[in-house]
Amino acid sequence: GAGVSQSPSNKVTEKGKDVELRCDPISGHTALYWYRQSLGQGLEFLIYFQGNSAPDKSGLPSDRFSAERTGGSVSTLTIQRTQQEDSAVYLCASSSPASAETQYFGPGTRLLVL
Amino acid sequence: ILNVEQSPQSLHVQEGDSTNFTCSFPSSNFYALHWYRWETAKSPEALFVMTLNGDEKKKGRISATLNTKEGYSYLYIKGSQPEDSATYLCALLTYYNQGGKLIFGQGTELSVKP
Repeated sequence: GAGVSQSPSNKVTEKGKDVELRCDPISGHTALYWYRQSLGQGLEFLIYFQGNSAPDKSGLPSDRFSAERTGGSVSTLTIQRTQQEDSAVYLCASSSPASAETQYFGPGTRLLVL
Repeated sequence: ILNVEQSPQSLHVQEGDSTNFTCSFPSSNFYALHWYRWETAKSPEALFVMTLNGDEKKKGRISATLNTKEGYSYLYIKGSQPEDSATYLCALLTYYNQGGKLIFGQGTELSVKP
């Protein structure tokens, strides 16, 4: 079956511009996560959505970062006024209620801020 | 704050060698420990979810153990093959609410030469 998909796969932007990254989770998965990996760093948690519950936003690094999940499915991560330190691979993951401990990752969006 | 350390940072072995790497954590205040495998240009793939002290899991030539009292998990690969080349990530599931936040180590990069 189809896995987690993300778009775009690569994004180059100029400092100060806004960017939107999209994630399509696996159908039927109620939980959705965003992580990022900056150069030389490990994977870093950003935000977690679970059904209709309030999201866990504890990993968002600043108020320039926001995410929403529409209709319990697709999610968009928005970075406003991008900075060079925002350059990273942004990964989305989802998990199902039946196997909630396992998170299935997408291929990521590689963001480069010039 | 949970901190996950992985060692070594990188490892180069010959085809047929057996190898192992370590994930260590100072606190047992987590719900589960995950091992992921991340090949270049692909999505991270779940290998094991370990939930009990003394838990052992095996998948083909790869196995893992968990010792929460001593604060470590080992991942073993028997008879390494070139296709095992990847970064192996350890992560702690910090809470469980039909899913939860993963805290990742920086990974061990394995290279297997034919």
